[in-house]
Amino acid sequence: AQKVTQAQTEISVVEKEDVTLDCVYETRDTTYYLFWYKQPPSGELVFLIRRNSFDEQNEISGRYSWNFQKSTSSFNFTITASQVVDSAVYFCALSWEDTGRRALTFGSGTRLQVQP
Amino acid sequence: DTGVSQDPRHKITKRGQNVTFRCDPISEHNRLYWYRQTLGQGPEFLTYFQNEAQLEKSRLLSDRFSAERPKGSFSTLEIQRTEQGDSAMYLCASSSSTSGGGLEQFFGPGTRLTVL
Repeated sequence: AQKVTQAQTEISVVEKEDVTLDCVYETRDTTYYLFWYKQPPSGELVFLIRRNSFDEQNEISGRYSWNFQKSTSSFNFTITASQVVDSAVYFCALSWEDTGRRALTFGSGTRLQVQP
Repeated sequence: DTGVSQDPRHKITKRGQNVTFRCDPISEHNRLYWYRQTLGQGPEFLTYFQNEAQLEKSRLLSDRFSAERPKGSFSTLEIQRTEQGDSAMYLCASSSSTSGGGLEQFFGPGTRLTVL
């Protein structure tokens, strides 16, 4: 099966805390792509990052960082010094190349609440 | 450059009625996707167009659902004989095969359908 699991349904932190959102994926393909999207209360999904299966380099963008580990099939997302504006539902997603799958397969999401 | 737009934003209908939603992708994006999202879940893929060709359909897309993209620009999604189980947010996304391999999808605000 090709799927994405986000085991954390909801996380609540206090502002300025660091928080890590977990994502575990399953795929038979050797070439695949991993994504993170943010869905704020307004509802519109916002693209955050894409990672290719052949590039395990971690990435940092401001307060956001992503840790991709093929050995554990994980693509975790860390927010450093969280802010109230980070409150949203975060989705991890997967697409794959070998069978030409263009659509995204999403996890069930993690709701992050950042308390002031 | 405007983002993906969807119309209407909300639709309330009675069971058994037909409904049609429209999606206008980002201009010059040749790929267009429809997803459905129910409460507390991640989006689920419905169908995908490259230009005017419908290249992939999910098993979720029953014969009551039909999608078109007649000129490779906007797309419509029609649901015939609506059922209460069709109540969901219908999301449209677009991407460009000439930019990033068409992997990043940009989402519209969605159409929330309520079937009474």
